[in-house]
Amino acid sequence: IVLTQSPGTLSLSPGERATLSCRASQSVGTEYLAWYQQKPGQAPRLLIYGTSSRATGIPDRFSGSGSGTDFTLTISRLETEDCAVYYCQQYGSSLTWTFGQGTKVEIK
Amino acid sequence: EVQLVQSGAEVKKPGESLKISCKGSGYNFSTYYIGWVRQMPGQGLEWMGIVYPDYSLTTYSPSFQGQVTISADKSFSVAYLQWSSLKASDTALYYCVRHGVSFYYMDVWGKGTAVTVSS
Repeated sequence: IVLTQSPGTLSLSPGERATLSCRASQSVGTEYLAWYQQKPGQAPRLLIYGTSSRATGIPDRFSGSGSGTDFTLTISRLETEDCAVYYCQQYGSSLTWTFGQGTKVEIK
Repeated sequence: EVQLVQSGAEVKKPGESLKISCKGSGYNFSTYYIGWVRQMPGQGLEWMGIVYPDYSLTTYSPSFQGQVTISADKSFSVAYLQWSSLKASDTALYYCVRHGVSFYYMDVWGKGTAVTVSS
C-alpha cells in the first residue's frame, strides 16, 4: 500500500486551522493508521494512532479522522511550536509498515 | 520512564561492517516489537524491519531484505542493526522504535544513530 500525503508544504499563520491529507492506494483499517510529528533536529514522535486516538501528552488541538483510503490530521489552532513535518503511517499485511512522504507545516 | 537509548554516531568506509545498538529500559523489553527506521539526509521515513525480542523473530521490508540484519538480545534488553558491507548510500540517520501494545504503531522512538559512509 502506498500512502500519498498532501499538500507537500502548508504555510499558515498562528491560530489558523491546518488540514493534512493522507491517501492510501488501497483501503486501510482505521486501527492501522497513525500520524507522527518530526520537529527540526528531533526524532519523530507519535501523535495519533488508530486514526483518531491521541497519544499520551498530545494536545487536544490535534485530531485525526478518516476511513477507507482517506485520512486527515487536523490542527485546530496552529501554534508556532507546531512547525514540523508530519507523517502518516499504515500497517499492512504480513508485518509490514509504510510511511507517507510527509507534509511540512510552516508557520508564517 | 520508557526509553530507547541508541549508540553513538559512526563514520565508516565503504565495504566495512557495522553494528549499531538500541537499549530499552523502563518496560518489559522482551514482549514489545522493536523496529528500525531509516531517514536519509533531507528525506522521509522508511521502515526497515522489526524483531520480537522474546523469540528473536524478524521481518524485513522487501527494500532492506538481505541488506541488513536485525537482531536482539533480550538478556541485555538490546536490539541491533548491522551491515556486513557498507555502501555510501547507507549514509543516513537510523532510529530504533518500540511498537506499541497494539503493534500497528510506533509509540517510543530513540534519538537516532547517524551513520556516515565515505571513502
